[in-house]
This record gives sequence, structure tokens and C-alpha cells, in this order.
Amino acid sequence: KQEVTQIPAALSVPEGENLVLNCSFTDSAIYNLQWFRQDPGKGLTSLLLIQSSQREQTSGRLNASLDKSSGRSTLYIAASQPGDSATYLCAVANSGYALNFGKGTSLLVTP
Amino acid sequence: SAVISQKPSRDICQRGTSLTIQCQVDSQVTMMFWYRQQPGQSLTLIATANQGSEATYESGFVIDKFPISRPNLTFSTLTVSNMSPEDSSIYLCSGRGNEKLFFGSGTQLSVL
Repeated sequence: KQEVTQIPAALSVPEGENLVLNCSFTDSAIYNLQWFRQDPGKGLTSLLLIQSSQREQTSGRLNASLDKSSGRSTLYIAASQPGDSATYLCAVANSGYALNFGKGTSLLVTP
Repeated sequence: SAVISQKPSRDICQRGTSLTIQCQVDSQVTMMFWYRQQPGQSLTLIATANQGSEATYESGFVIDKFPISRPNLTFSTLTVSNMSPEDSSIYLCSGRGNEKLFFGSGTQLSVL
């Protein structure tokens, strides 16, 4: 069974800092990997999707990388802002199917 | 991207009762799923809602406890039956559009 681990569980940074969130998974035979943002009372918002054949994806200040062989993905957030405060979830699909989620990293960006 | 409307957004229920959660997608999606997020935990897949047939349940979840319907490609319901305090969680529906997974805003359920 695919196990997804996210480190750190919580992170607090001052505004303007660049930061990296880590995700690891145990089964490297993945279909794709997706990063989500979860805000209280607002469900999940998809941020980036990386296919198994890709190494990275970028959207604005966000960059996600994927290293299947080592079972790792990172989410890089540049020039963090207070509005980035949320829980970030990493999820892995082992087929074109449902996702296995990590427990998330709770991010607080202070002004 | 698809937009998923989920309701109710929250409810407080008595032990032994049942609650039905509804999800409406604004476009046809190939697959719909139901997840549970217990306090401090990651999302756990309950089942895949199959259009016109019985849902496919994950280990640890059964149809008698979590009956699911999906009468068409844009609508699904999840019922939490005979509730106990252990059922207090956030329940989320999701749909797969192309490759990405889109989520409803969730239902915060508290069982007294």
C-alpha cells in the first residue's frame, strides 16, 4: 500500500522567505503526483499536477519537482505571502484512479 | 476546471441517525470519489462512486454504513448511517476531470 509522508508537519516563516515543503512516497510506480492547498471551510484546491514522466511543474511562485527513483517530491514557494498560509497536501496516484494523501504541512506566513 | 458544490457544509447530528451529503458537479466527470478526513489525519478514500452501478468500497468501509448513489455523471450522494461519535469527520467528494482531481468544499460532521 502506498504510504505518503510529508515533512515538516508545521512551518512558520516571515513574509518574503522562500520555502520548501517535502513529500516522500514508498511505491515509486506512480501514475502522477498532485499538490493541493486546503483552507478551512473551503475544501481542497489543486495547485500542481506532475505526471510520472515529468520532473517538475511551475505555476507562478510555485514549483513542484518529482524524483520517482528516490520517491520524493518538493513544493517550492518563492517570496511567501501571508495569503499563502494554509495546509499543503501531497497526493500520489498509483493508477489513473484515486489518490493517497499525506497528512499535510501546515504553513503560517507572518507579516 | 470543474466546480463541485457540496452540501450541507456542516451538520450536528444525534447518535443513531443518518445524514445524506450531496455533491453536484458543473460538468461531466469520468470518476467521482468520497473521502473522509478525521481530525489531524490525512484524507482516506471511502469509495469510488460508479455511475449506474454499486460503488466500489475501500478496505474498512462497507455499503451498509456508507451507501452511495451516482445516478448520472454530475451528481452523487453519500449517506452516513447509524452515526456514532466516531463518525465525526470532514467528508469530501471529488471528481476527476482530465488528470486533475477537484474537490467539493467538504461537510463538517459532528455526532453527539
